[in-house]
Amino acid sequence: EIVLTQSPGTLSLSPGERATLSCRASQSVSSSYLAWYQQKRGQAPRLLIHDASSRATGIPDRFSGSGSGTDFTLTISRLEPEDFAVYYCQQYGTSPLTFGGGTKVETK
Amino acid sequence: QVQLVQSGAEVRKPEASVKVSCKASGYTFTSYYMHWVRQAPGQGLEWMGVISPTTGNTKYAQTFQGRVTMTRDTSTSTVYMELSSLRSEDTAVYYCARGGTSTWYRDFDCWGQGTLVTVSS
Repeated sequence: EIVLTQSPGTLSLSPGERATLSCRASQSVSSSYLAWYQQKRGQAPRLLIHDASSRATGIPDRFSGSGSGTDFTLTISRLEPEDFAVYYCQQYGTSPLTFGGGTKVETK
Repeated sequence: QVQLVQSGAEVRKPEASVKVSCKASGYTFTSYYMHWVRQAPGQGLEWMGVISPTTGNTKYAQTFQGRVTMTRDTSTSTVYMELSSLRSEDTAVYYCARGGTSTWYRDFDCWGQGTLVTVSS
């Protein structure tokens, strides 16, 4: 099983600042099959990024993904008030599909 | 628009079973794999398994093997997830999520609203 480790656990930032979230895999993620999801309290997750760097439909371009192999990054260029949430990475290249433990982006 | 609507909250006693439904609309039901993911209170996301709406073939996570059964009804565009021998640790929100078309090794581009299952004596 591929274990995904997200860091930091919590990121305290102000609106307008840049957020950089990390996701490290215990082994190489096949074909860069890595996704990022945003989850707000009481809501289902929402797909932001798939295939490591492709934005999902309707996702603003302030969200970007990068990386390959075992190291992946989600960057939010300028935080908007609605971006404060929990973010999860997921690999879907190898069974079982696995998620990281999440990074909470909170208001400083 | 693509929509997944799940059944309502459930309360069960330990050792009982629960069956959660997920009704799809806004797309061709048989074209996309459907996954189930759960989230315990205050915890992260855990993949449970996947079903092919076309063939009914399933793949379950090892953690749930022997306790979970996923089925589908193509006439109503609905998938079901039944979990048996419930224990308190199964208390969680259960989500259905749409996966890929030709392969189930894909991201989840649409999620149901979630169904809270509470296991308590």
